[in-house]
Formats: sequence, structure tokens, C-alpha cells
Amino acid sequence: NAGVTQTPKFQVLKTGQSMTLQCAQDMNHNSMYWYRQDPGMGLRLIYYSASEGTTDKGEVPNGYNVSRLNKREFSLRLESAAPSQTSVYFCASSEELFNGGADSGANVLTFGAGSRLTVL
Amino acid sequence: GNSVTQMEGPVTLSEEAFLTINCTYTATGYPSLFWYVQYPGEGLQLLLKATKADDKGSNKGFEATYRKETTSFHLEKGSVQVSDSAVYFCALSDPWIQGAQKLVFGQGTRLTINP
Repeated sequence: NAGVTQTPKFQVLKTGQSMTLQCAQDMNHNSMYWYRQDPGMGLRLIYYSASEGTTDKGEVPNGYNVSRLNKREFSLRLESAAPSQTSVYFCASSEELFNGGADSGANVLTFGAGSRLTVL
Repeated sequence: GNSVTQMEGPVTLSEEAFLTINCTYTATGYPSLFWYVQYPGEGLQLLLKATKADDKGSNKGFEATYRKETTSFHLEKGSVQVSDSAVYFCALSDPWIQGAQKLVFGQGTRLTINP
């Protein structure tokens, strides 16, 4: 009954260092997402994966890369961390792709507990 | 592009007070609307949703009605409890964007309920 699991929960990096945030879901969801949360700005979509083998840019993709390793796992990589990437990162998953039906657009996202990243 | 605007917080109320958190949106097409809640130290979780105009979403005593004419989805609760203290996010999803369920979030409203 884990839902969406993110690691690590906390990380401090120096400018220029690299790291990968890991995310795994056990709900057999097709779609997965990475958001960042900054004070006063809500959550902004970084990248998403509509299905295994596909990834697409969201609103703020610069400085990040992602890998959809398999249906369960979706990782976010910072190749050269910058202070502007100090944030709380959330991974999420959802059950179905857009299917054009009457209830499309109403699928619920399940979020992980978040990873707090500080770049010095 | 699509956007969501929430009333600025923080909001502080006494227990049993009436709560309203305003949310307005700008969108093309016919979005679905959501309220998510984030309790301290946790990820976001769905509170309620509405998929078409005049729908009312409700859960745990909270309600919100999808008002297309005013492009609003205000969150209300008649009598708040200390356990309702959290950050509340209004969000929309445009069902005409193919692919995954991309949400656009408001900036969040921090609610504190005092005993």
C-alpha cells in the first residue's frame, strides 16, 4: 500500500553537482509526472511520461532530464545543479491516458511525499 | 495559456468558523477543476473535483461548485476544525490536451485553524 515513493527526502548539493531523484509507484499507473513546488508559485510541471517509453517536457524543463525506466519508475536528473533549482520536488502518477471520453481530464493524481533539495 | 488564481494567504480562522477560499481560472475549452490539500510534511492529495459546469464536488465537509459564468471554483466549509489546517491548491486540467493528466495549479493558500 505504498503508493508513490520518492527518494531521497532531503538533499543538499553544491552548485555544479549532479544528482538523481528516484520515484516509484506500485499502482500500475500509466502516467507519471515530476513537479516542483516553490513558495508563492504553486506546483509547476517539469516533465511527464504518458506511458512507458515516452517522456515530454512540461512548463519548466530546463536544467532537468528524465528517464522512464519501466512502468513503475520515473527518475529526474539534475546534471549541473544551480541555486535556482532549490525547491521541493514531487513525483506523481495517474491511472489512465486521455481517452476522449466524457470524464476525460478528471483522472486523479497520486503524489509522493516530496524531496526537498537545496543547492548552495 | 491556462492559469489558476487563488486568494492569497495565509488564512487564520477559529475552530467552527465558516471557510471560503476563492479560486478563479482562465482556460480554453472545458477544463476539469480540482482542489488538492497538502498536510504538513506530506504530498498533495485530492480533496474534491468537478468535471463540468454546475457540478458540485464535495468531501469531508468541503464543497466547491464549478461556475462557468464566473470562471470560479471557490472552496467552502461550514465549520472548520483544527485538523483542516493545511495548504489548499486549486487546479485545472484541460481534457483536450492529449497525453497525460497535466494539471495547472494555483499558488496555494495556507490555512491555519486555532482552537
